[in-house]
Amino acid sequence: DAKTTQPPSMDCAEGRAANLPCNHSTISGNEYVYWYRQIHSQGPQYIIHGLKNNETNEMASLIITEDRKSSTLILPHATLRDTAVYYCIVRGETSGSRLTFGEGTQLTVNP
Amino acid sequence: DAGVTQSPTHLIKTRGQQVTLRCSPKSGHDTVSWYQQALGQGPQFIFQYYEEEERQRGNFPDRFSGHQFPNYSSELNVNALLLGDSALYLCASSPPPGTGGFGSKNIQYFGAGTRLSVL
Repeated sequence: DAKTTQPPSMDCAEGRAANLPCNHSTISGNEYVYWYRQIHSQGPQYIIHGLKNNETNEMASLIITEDRKSSTLILPHATLRDTAVYYCIVRGETSGSRLTFGEGTQLTVNP
Repeated sequence: DAGVTQSPTHLIKTRGQQVTLRCSPKSGHDTVSWYQQALGQGPQFIFQYYEEEERQRGNFPDRFSGHQFPNYSSELNVNALLLGDSALYLCASSPPPGTGGFGSKNIQYFGAGTRLSVL
């Protein structure tokens, strides 16, 4: 699996968009980008995933650069309940079911 | 639709003891993975069970073993507990192969975890 790099922490004002970056410069062509988040004392929660096109669901949007070496998770209107650790994970078919979590980004949404 | 359920929620053991943690996967899922999360760190993959067999294993000693039952539920067993085994143990389930293509097939759904304290 390609290594990912995320900032250790970020702050965001409630109601504003939260943009969480992830660098995965060694990603290979068949590897997907997944985002999970973990609210304190809970299990990780799947947010979104993508291969090369931008993706949007009810929780967030995922923007992947054309060269696929980085991506941004966007929470369009952050709320206090979005305060969590956000993990960017890159994995391909050879990973099986293994998810390799890094340190993630602690996002704090402030009132 | 019940999600992934784990029991117990909390557990206290002493060094040298053995522990069994349990997991019921999300309805329709047949693959179960286990993770260990030490305080302040991301989850670390222990192993995965599919069709009642261990299919993939992370860098954990043989003291960590598991089992999957015909109803897809799973157990994680840890023998000869060490202080360093204190952690949150997470179970995750995923749908059968061929469901929705590789990307969607490998979405994992996590339980709330079992907090194990070894004294």
